[in-house]
Order: sequence, then C-alpha cells, then structure tokens
Amino acid sequence: EAGVVQSPRYKIIEKKQPVAFWCNPISGHNTLYWYLQNLGQGPELLIRYENEEAVDDSQLPKDRFSAERLKGVDSTLKIQPAELGDSAVYLCASSGQPSTGELFFGEGSRLTVL
Amino acid sequence: EDQVTQSPEALRLQEGESSSLNCSYTVSGLRGLFWYRQDPGKGPEFLFTLYSAGEEKEKERLKATLTKKESFLHITAPKPEDSATYLCAVHDSWGKFQFGAGTQVVVTP
Repeated sequence: EAGVVQSPRYKIIEKKQPVAFWCNPISGHNTLYWYLQNLGQGPELLIRYENEEAVDDSQLPKDRFSAERLKGVDSTLKIQPAELGDSAVYLCASSGQPSTGELFFGEGSRLTVL
Repeated sequence: EDQVTQSPEALRLQEGESSSLNCSYTVSGLRGLFWYRQDPGKGPEFLFTLYSAGEEKEKERLKATLTKKESFLHITAPKPEDSATYLCAVHDSWGKFQFGAGTQVVVTP
C-alpha cells in the first residue's frame, strides 16, 4: 500500500514569490491534514479536511495561505506571497480513523524563503 | 487551550541504559494520547494510542503509560536504532490533535 505522497520535497524561493505543495493521501482516507513544522518543534495544524470540507482552518493564515481538496482526494496548499518566516517543513497526513490517533504522514516539503 | 509539554528536550543514552520520557498535558476532554517517532528528514511515524489512565502499551523496547495528567515513554535497554525524536500528541473533544515539541533521543554504542 502506497503511503502519503508529497511534492516537491524541497523548494527554495525568493520572498514575495508564490509556492504550492501537493499531497496525495492514502487511498480511502477521508481525513487529511496539513501541518507546519519548524526546526526543533512539533507539528502545528494548519487545516483539516473531512472529504472535501475544511472542518478546521482556524490556524491557517488566510491572508497568504490557501488550501483546497478537490473531489476529496488530493490536496494543494498554496502560499502567496511567501515571507521569510514561512521557511519550514510542510507535512501532509491522512487518516481513516482519526479517533485511533493513527495519522499517516508524508515525508514533508521543506520550504526555504530567501 | 490544549497544552502538551515534553521533557527533557534532549536525551543522550548509552546503549543498554534505560530511561523515560515525559509528556504532561492539559486538554479539554481527552479522547486519546498518542506517541510518534520522527527520524531526521521524515514525517512522524505512529507508535501508540492510550485512551484512559492506567493504560499501558508495549512495542519492542518501548512502553507507554498514561495517568490523568501525563504520559511516560519508557525505553528499555535502548539500541542505536532507537535514536529519533519522540513526539507526544493529544486528541481533544473538538477533534484537534495537539503535538508537543518532542524529545530528541540519541543512543550511542
């Protein structure tokens, strides 16, 4: 069974440029999460989807961040424009049964903003 | 607001030297407490779920326990391959997962 796939693995951009990250969750997983992880810190939730619906986006900086999950499968996270402080690892996770706590994470997309 | 605090921040062990990691939490309506392992450059990997005080789970050299205020991850006779960052997370009644900052464990031969 394929795991959660994210791309790109690494991205280096100049500040004020746009960037997008893509996530393909495990087949059949209805719940999808985007997390941000800074060095030495735990993951912080940006947005949670149940199928196509964003059920928790309270921590998403909506002035520059946007996300979508069309057809309840793949998801894209976009930042426009990027700022220096956005440099971090962006993790995607999916779950078939969130109550079990078993989230399956991708390897992450590491963003560096210069 | 949920809070998860892990200690120590870092732990250096000799191979075979057992130790414990701590995760203390405050949460509105605990639905579960989870432990994950994260290797450098990788996403976190699920280890255990604990649902109620007194519960224990074991996997190889790892044993997780839960009380009403904290959880412990015991590493018995660790090996170098147990070197990783161990993350604790809580699942609250709103469906949110809140992660701690993690404990970085290094096991030397």
